[in-house]
Amino acid sequence: KAGVTQTPRYLIKTRGQQVTLSCSPISGHRSVSWYQQTPGQGLQFLFEYFSETQRNKGNFPGRFSGRQFSNSRSEMNVSTLELGDSALYLCASSRVPGQGPNQPQHFGDGTRLSIL
Amino acid sequence: QQQVKQSPQSLIVQKGGISIINCAYENTAFDYFPWYQQFPGKGPALLIAIRPDVSEKKEGRFTISFNKSAKQFSLHIMDSQPGDSATYFCAASKETSGSRLTFGEGTQLTVNP
Repeated sequence: KAGVTQTPRYLIKTRGQQVTLSCSPISGHRSVSWYQQTPGQGLQFLFEYFSETQRNKGNFPGRFSGRQFSNSRSEMNVSTLELGDSALYLCASSRVPGQGPNQPQHFGDGTRLSIL
Repeated sequence: QQQVKQSPQSLIVQKGGISIINCAYENTAFDYFPWYQQFPGKGPALLIAIRPDVSEKKEGRFTISFNKSAKQFSLHIMDSQPGDSATYFCAASKETSGSRLTFGEGTQLTVNP
């Protein structure tokens, strides 16, 4: 069974540009969450999508947005990039929203975004 | 607001020793406490998890101890091996927040041979 796939793995952008990251969840998983990982702030929740609807949103500015398609694949977009947006962006999937021993969240290996 | 505090930031243990990582939380609505293991260049992987109605859970060499009254939980790695060298994150979530996880700051564990 294929894991969570994130593309691209690495990305370099300059300030002011915008970027779109992609996440393909595990087959059968319909909930997708996004996290930002930085050395200073650690792992922070961005948002969660289920059935093409945003269910939860973390404390990030409106420059960070996302969407989910009917096949459960998800994209996140960051507009007007800032130096502080340099981070590892992780996607996680589960069958449905929530936590528990029967439906753990599985993380992808992330997209490393560097802003110059 | 940091709702889950993790310590120590780094830990060095000899092979065969016990590694102990501690976490404390503030929000009493949290009802699920997983631990994740992350290797360089990889995403976090679920290691073990516990709910607050249980005081201890063991899976192989990994044990979670949970103290609901103190709002603390810890990960014990018995017989630590060099292959356990990784960053460990505690996390917490609540039923009303779907899949949202609140993570601790992480502990970089090094197990010397």
